[in-house]
Amino acid sequence: QQQVKQSPQSLIVQKGGISIINCAYENTAFDYFPWYQQFPGKGPALLIAIRPDVSEKKEGRFTISFNKSAKQFSLHIMDSQPGDSATYFCAASGAGGFKTIFGAGTRLFVKA
Amino acid sequence: EAGVAQSPRYKIIEKRQSVAFWCNPISGHATLYWYQQILGQGPKLLIQFQNNGVVDDSQLPKDRFSAERLKGVDSTLKIQPAKLEDSAVYLCASSRAGGRPLVEQFFGPGTRLTVL
Repeated sequence: QQQVKQSPQSLIVQKGGISIINCAYENTAFDYFPWYQQFPGKGPALLIAIRPDVSEKKEGRFTISFNKSAKQFSLHIMDSQPGDSATYFCAASGAGGFKTIFGAGTRLFVKA
Repeated sequence: EAGVAQSPRYKIIEKRQSVAFWCNPISGHATLYWYQQILGQGPKLLIQFQNNGVVDDSQLPKDRFSAERLKGVDSTLKIQPAKLEDSAVYLCASSRAGGRPLVEQFFGPGTRLTVL
């Protein structure tokens, strides 16, 4: 019930294309859903986050879509660039002592 | 502001040996986290401190892992004795507001541990 399932494991996208990464959760007590970006040899860094009271949040080329009834959320990277090549983790956490649970990660490679 | 500092960056040890990792969080951050990231997996929380008190250590293998945060600032994570399955990257993170999960966590670069 505490799991966050992420797919795909890896993704190859052409430069300028759209990258889409999906996540699903089970615990309805989660109420904060961040996405982290991690480059090799670095720690994860917060990219964008959403609360379940909105269905979409956009920051530049990055958009989170949230479907509360389906308990799913996704990251869309528009106009993907080679510099976006990294591992992306979705996560979920909530009030009441719920620790942050991370998905297994998606390794994105953007071909120039 | 300076980021989260960790040392060493890399460590190779034999199984059954002991090892310690050090973390210096961002100045003023009350909450400090230690995560274990096994290759190909997402980070898993080992222990969370609020100032120098433990908030959550439910996933810390307490028979071999220990952690402390002296004076509510720096922290050390120790493994004694190490097992092969402890090979992972150990990430330290910190955040401003204590105990609230809805606050951005800032991660250090991690320590890559290899147990032979």
